[in-house]
Parts: sequence; structure tokens; C-alpha cells
Amino acid sequence: EIVLTQAPATLSLSPGERATLSCRASQSVGTYLAWFQQKPGRAPRLLIYYASSRATGIPARFSGSGSGTDFTLTISSLEPDDFAVYYCQQGSDWPSFTFGPGTKVDIK
Amino acid sequence: QVQLQQSGPGLVKPSQTLSLTCAISGDSVSSNSVAWNWIRQSPSRGLEWLGRTYYRSKWYNEYVVSVRGRITINPDTSRNQFSLQLNSVTPEDTAVYYCARGQWRSLDYWGQGTLVTVSS
Repeated sequence: EIVLTQAPATLSLSPGERATLSCRASQSVGTYLAWFQQKPGRAPRLLIYYASSRATGIPARFSGSGSGTDFTLTISSLEPDDFAVYYCQQGSDWPSFTFGPGTKVDIK
Repeated sequence: QVQLQQSGPGLVKPSQTLSLTCAISGDSVSSNSVAWNWIRQSPSRGLEWLGRTYYRSKWYNEYVVSVRGRITINPDTSRNQFSLQLNSVTPEDTAVYYCARGQWRSLDYWGQGTLVTVSS
């Protein structure tokens, strides 16, 4: 099973700052890596798929990069609505999907 | 616009069967380009993909190893929905359960979630 680790566990930032979140896979997942945002009491929302493709309706301030084992989600300038938990998910180890433990972005 | 609407009981007794349904609008359970998934989330296990059903000239099912033997995911073409059955539940199966559409090796539309508690 491919294990995903995310860093940091918590990121404390102010609105307008840049957020950089990391996801590392225990073995190569190619570019089969997605990012989700989740707010309390809500389902996860797909932000990025195939490592760098934005999902429908996702603002351009969200960008993804990386391949193989190391990936980054960048939020260029945090909006108040962006404070949430972010998960990465791999789709390489077919048929199974696995998720990372999450990074919480909270207000400093 | 794809929408997924979940239904089913929020309380199940130990050793019984958990049953949830996910009604699809804006797409077809028989689509040959997407898959229909169940995922659960708990504080102890995080987000855990459970399995999927999909149609590619015939129906396929795939399940995570940890629940294989206890899980069944079935499509219902007449009602355009799919279901989850998890047998012999224990308190460890207490979680929020989500259905989701699978595309691009990920999950692009999600249901609203159902908290299922396993307790006597």
C-alpha cells in the first residue's frame, strides 16, 4: 500500500499570505495525485487532479506541482474562505486510493 | 451539474448490516467513463476509500482489502443509484460515509455524508 505523508500538520498564516503544503508518497505515484479541501461538517472538495490540473470552478490561486514522490499545493494569497483542512490522495496504486492525514491551515 | 444524494440509517447495531444508498442526478450509474465510490472518514482512520462499482461493457466491483468479504457495492440502473452494504459491523465501523464519483484517478463529486454510529 502506498502511504502518503503531509507536512506540516498545521500551518498558521494570515489572509493574503502564501501557503505551501507538502505531500510525500512512500513510492512513486507518477502524477496520479489529487488535492482536496475540507471544511467542518462538509464533504471534501476536489481542487487539483493529475498533480497540477485544477478542477472545475477552482480559483487560479490554487496550484499543484510535483511528480513521483514529492508534491506541493500552493495557495498564492490566502482568502478567508481558504482556512480549512487539505488532503492529498493518490490514484496510482489501482484499484485502491489512499489519502494523506491532512494539513490544517488556520488563521494566525 | 452532478449531484449525489445519500440516504440510510444513522444508527446500526453491532453484528448487523450497514446499508446506504446514493442517488445520482446529472450523470448515469451506467456511464462507461466514470466510477461510483464509497469512502468513509473517522478520527482514528482518517479518509478511507472502501470500494467502487463501474460499467465497462459489463459491471466491475473493487474493494479495499481491509473490508473485503464484508462489503458489497451494487448499482441500481432502474433508479440511477448505487448502494453500500457492510456486514457484521463493529464500533470500529463508526464513521461518516460518503459516496463520490470517480474520474481522473480521483473523486470529483461527493455526496453530503452520512454519520453512521455502530452501537447497541
